Amino acid sequence: QQQVKQSPQSLIVQKGGISIINCAYENTAFDYFPWYQQFPGKGPALLIAIRPDVSEKKEGRFTISFNKSAKQFSLHIMDSQPGDSATYFCAATYNTPLVFGKGTRLSVIA
Amino acid sequence: NAGVTQTPKFQVLKTGQSMTLQCAQDMNHEYMSWYRQDPGMGLRLIHYSVGAGITDQGEVPNGYNVSRSTTEDFPLRLLSAAPSQTSVYFCASRRLPGELFFGEGSRLTVL
Repeated sequence: QQQVKQSPQSLIVQKGGISIINCAYENTAFDYFPWYQQFPGKGPALLIAIRPDVSEKKEGRFTISFNKSAKQFSLHIMDSQPGDSATYFCAATYNTPLVFGKGTRLSVIA
Repeated sequence: NAGVTQTPKFQVLKTGQSMTLQCAQDMNHEYMSWYRQDPGMGLRLIHYSVGAGITDQGEVPNGYNVSRSTTEDFPLRLLSAAPSQTSVYFCASRRLPGELFFGEGSRLTVL
């Protein structure tokens, strides 16, 4: 049973545009929601994370929006650049092993 | 600072062969885990360990064994490889929940 549903599966965005990736979760016990970024041939790396006591967290061009009542959270990449082209995974945990979404392959084209 | 080191990076096996994927971390993390990554399936947890001598199963443990004799090392054993185990395997460790540090992966092909 997939506990974190991620969409879209793939995304193509023009350079300078906004990339938006969405995730929905089922388990209301989750209390930590990280996003991981993976470049080809590399392992995933923690990008940004949020706890459910805040509705938004911003780090540079990356922002997480969190909607606790809807059990949804999303990653926004502002001013998307070709260097942002990667696979992005959302995840969730409550001091348990991380549960990952299936990933979104982002391509930023010039 | 090496972080999480996985060996080998690439391996080709024949069906029925056995092998061990090695994972070592130098961050003194108690928690270590193994994931497999398949196209369209995301990252699925195979086994994890919360400390030396303690291991537990994840989502897809069948066909894999683990042991944890030291804090630094967490090897993953395939006793009798099957084509369904063709995948990219990632080892990861953490200090805090949710903040995993991944190795660069081991790409396994089973013929």
